[in-house]
Amino acid sequence: EVQLVESGGALIQPGGSLRLSCAASGFIVSSTYMTWVRQAPGKGLEWVSIIYSDGTTHYANSVKGRFTISRDDSKSTLYLQMNSLRGEDTGIYYCAKYSGSFYDYWGQGTQVTVSS
Amino acid sequence: QSVLTQPPSVSGAPGQRVTISCTGSSSNIGAGYDVHWYQRLPGTAPKLLIYANNNRPSGVPDRFSGSRSGTSASLAITGLQAGDEGDYYCQSYDRMLSSSTFGGGTKLTVL
Repeated sequence: EVQLVESGGALIQPGGSLRLSCAASGFIVSSTYMTWVRQAPGKGLEWVSIIYSDGTTHYANSVKGRFTISRDDSKSTLYLQMNSLRGEDTGIYYCAKYSGSFYDYWGQGTQVTVSS
Repeated sequence: QSVLTQPPSVSGAPGQRVTISCTGSSSNIGAGYDVHWYQRLPGTAPKLLIYANNNRPSGVPDRFSGSRSGTSASLAITGLQAGDEGDYYCQSYDRMLSSSTFGGGTKLTVL
């Protein structure tokens, strides 16, 4: 059974840093595409970042240069390092397994609040 | 503002049929990219409901169906049940954004 469990969300001041984790089970993380998707309060879902099976990464323009996606294959864990956080980064962050076209499994999400 | 436009809310009585629209443009749905639908029930993670326009993953009841035409897509739910209450999102790929994109979501209320 595929499971994705996020952690690391917190209340953080603007300009601060945070690292989110997503523990995966039921499949081989290194062999698939993994993504982070977020939802700001009152807004729709927004794709944030992707890491392909070959390690290639891509980011939404809104987070490029500030966020870094990575994975630890030995721990079957996906990460999102978030630096220079802004108020507009507030939201629920989901990790999701990506088939190449759609998101076939999602975690339950972790809350990130950027506020002074 | 989302690239894919959905109505903010829809409602229906138990047993009725409702549809949720997802309107895009020539850079996403109109360009031939598949549309996928997700269901998020209160307090739960989003769940894939329909993939590639009209396909149901294993375990999704056939009360849920999808279609795509031109620059739009629709999700239909028949035999509405109280347990269907939640948020529904469409998703496709946008070639101008060079990334996947979601609709703003539609809140379904079962009266």
